[in-house]
Amino acid sequence: DGGITQSPKYLFRKEGQNVTLSCEQNLNHDAMYWYRQDPGQGLRLIYYSQIVNDFQKGDIAEGYSVSREKKESFPLTVTSAQKNPTAFYLCASSMTGNEKLFFGSGTQLSVL
Amino acid sequence: GENVEQHPSTLSVQEGDSAVIKCTYSDSASNYFPWYKQELGKRPQLIIDIRSNVGEKKDQRIAVTLNKTAKHFSLHITETQPEDSAVYFCVVGSSGTYKYIFGTGTRLKVLA
Repeated sequence: DGGITQSPKYLFRKEGQNVTLSCEQNLNHDAMYWYRQDPGQGLRLIYYSQIVNDFQKGDIAEGYSVSREKKESFPLTVTSAQKNPTAFYLCASSMTGNEKLFFGSGTQLSVL
Repeated sequence: GENVEQHPSTLSVQEGDSAVIKCTYSDSASNYFPWYKQELGKRPQLIIDIRSNVGEKKDQRIAVTLNKTAKHFSLHITETQPEDSAVYFCVVGSSGTYKYIFGTGTRLKVLA
């Protein structure tokens, strides 16, 4: 379904806990992205990766970390340093920069 | 950096009427302008895109127009249907960058 798989669909985080959101794509895209969406707002860029073993901070990277060890995978860790993590998280990919973005189905993260 | 403004934030139209959503941007180097549709709790999906070397593009009931001089582009939906109800985002991209700037979204309601 769209070539990008995010899991889990829903995730709950306890105080002081790190959680990891999974994102896998089979589109053979070089670039991958993580966006955060808050209710009634647009998408804000957390991190992006142009190529394997490389990634760059977006506009709201504080409290998040990523890795890009494989072309297909771009997991996002929400650390305990992120004090307001409740949001809808969307992973996306594109062939290169400035091309069509393809989105995963999203993960809704909530704080217990 | 690039700034994107999207108007209106909400739009209600009668079924069969037309809907127009407008976005303005600030960076004259921007050259890629896609529009995404997002239904509640779902992933954003590309509905149409245009590049700066084209002034207008149409796909059935959907069209996008670009005015590079004035730095604005618009989404036009004709003969609206209830299934057009969703949030629409304009996006701005630039060559040589992987940062897409999203508008804040327009909630379109098509009244039957």
